[in-house]
Amino acid sequence: GAGVSQSPSNKVTEKGKDVELRCDPISGHTALYWYRQSLGQGLEFLIYFQGNSAPDKSGLPSDRFSAERTGGSVSTLTIQRTQQEDSAVYLCASSLSPGETQYFGPGTRLLVL
Amino acid sequence: AQRVTQPEKLLSVFKGAPVELKCNYSYSGSPELFWYVQYSRQRLQLLLRHISRESIKGFTADLNKGETSFHLKKPFAQEEDSAMYYCALHAGGTSYGKLTFGQGTILTVHP
Repeated sequence: GAGVSQSPSNKVTEKGKDVELRCDPISGHTALYWYRQSLGQGLEFLIYFQGNSAPDKSGLPSDRFSAERTGGSVSTLTIQRTQQEDSAVYLCASSLSPGETQYFGPGTRLLVL
Repeated sequence: AQRVTQPEKLLSVFKGAPVELKCNYSYSGSPELFWYVQYSRQRLQLLLRHISRESIKGFTADLNKGETSFHLKKPFAQEEDSAMYYCALHAGGTSYGKLTFGQGTILTVHP
């Protein structure tokens, strides 16, 4: 079947604007993860969903970041009042269950001007 | 808290030469270790995980708990091995499967 998909693939926004990033996991995968890939920081965990609940939000860098997952499927990561330091590639991954192999999406490249 | 260290940001070798990408970790429990690879213009994908003890694309990695290392090795590098390689750790237990990644190593294999 189809792999993990993310949209948009690229997003350019102005500082202070809000952005929404979308992730469609592999069908049937209950676990969903968001990571951020930035220069000098490598890959950082942001948030984990099991079904529609998020038992681990420990990686969200500030309260400007939030995420939700509906229907145990699609997830949206929202960044409010974007800052230049939010510029990065945001990766979504899903797995059949926690601890199983994670399959990554192509990422959304965010540039905040 | 767990940490993964990849000391080399860049590694260059010639085709046919052996290659070793270093990975060290710190974690007090029993971790599960992975190597992920990202080829140019492709998404991040799993290369191998230590519990499976497989050899993928000629690469192997052995978990050394004494040295807290999980180095990735290949005896004869190929040009198509050029990519970004990430070492990652899953802490297990209540970590929900989240991965802690190293900074990554860019491997370039010259013809």
